Amino acid sequence: GIQVEQSPPDLILQEGANSTLRCNFSDSVNNLQWFHQNPWGQLINLFYIPSGTKQNGRLSATTVATERYSLLYISSSQTTDSGVYFCAVLNQAGTALIFGKGTTLSVSS
Amino acid sequence: AAGVIQSPRHLIKEKRETATLKCYPIPRHDTVYWYQQGPGQDPQFLISFYEKMQSDKGSIPDRFSAQQFSDYHSELNMSSLELGDSALYFCASSLRLAGVDLEQYFGPGTRLTVT
Repeated sequence: GIQVEQSPPDLILQEGANSTLRCNFSDSVNNLQWFHQNPWGQLINLFYIPSGTKQNGRLSATTVATERYSLLYISSSQTTDSGVYFCAVLNQAGTALIFGKGTTLSVSS
Repeated sequence: AAGVIQSPRHLIKEKRETATLKCYPIPRHDTVYWYQQGPGQDPQFLISFYEKMQSDKGSIPDRFSAQQFSDYHSELNMSSLELGDSALYFCASSLRLAGVDLEQYFGPGTRLTVT
């Protein structure tokens, strides 16, 4: 099955810093999503981005499907950005999401 | 906008008991998924339904069963609970187009604790 690898596993930032999170996947995919899991456990949709670039406020994402990777950019980080960021891709059957292990982000003031 | 609704939000059960988790998808979504997230782990796919029929099956124990009803809500039934079943259980929903599931939206989860 498809393998999803995220890096770095952990990231510690000061408030105001920028960061880039990476997601590599082992096969072509029809769907890629980025999520933020907050400290209360909620999974919040950030981007649905099978290819191309999208921006939403301080966050943006780029997926290069032909090279099998996606990047999530966080600019001017805030303490509320803390949590785990997951990348997930649709399996080959197109019926379930396969998650990476996540990047744990800690932003301190 | 309406989101995915899950109930209950928290559940405490003893070993060998049964539990039923409920999920109400976003209106007009035709596909429902269940995921299990253990402590410090990533969510793992359990099972999915499309138009009330089982669509795909992941790492779901035989002690668990699920179904999707005529109103599209889904229930996950868990029997003979074990300590290792303690986890956060997510339901998600989406639309399926040309055989491919579009963006999945997740509910708030049910936190199950087995003692």
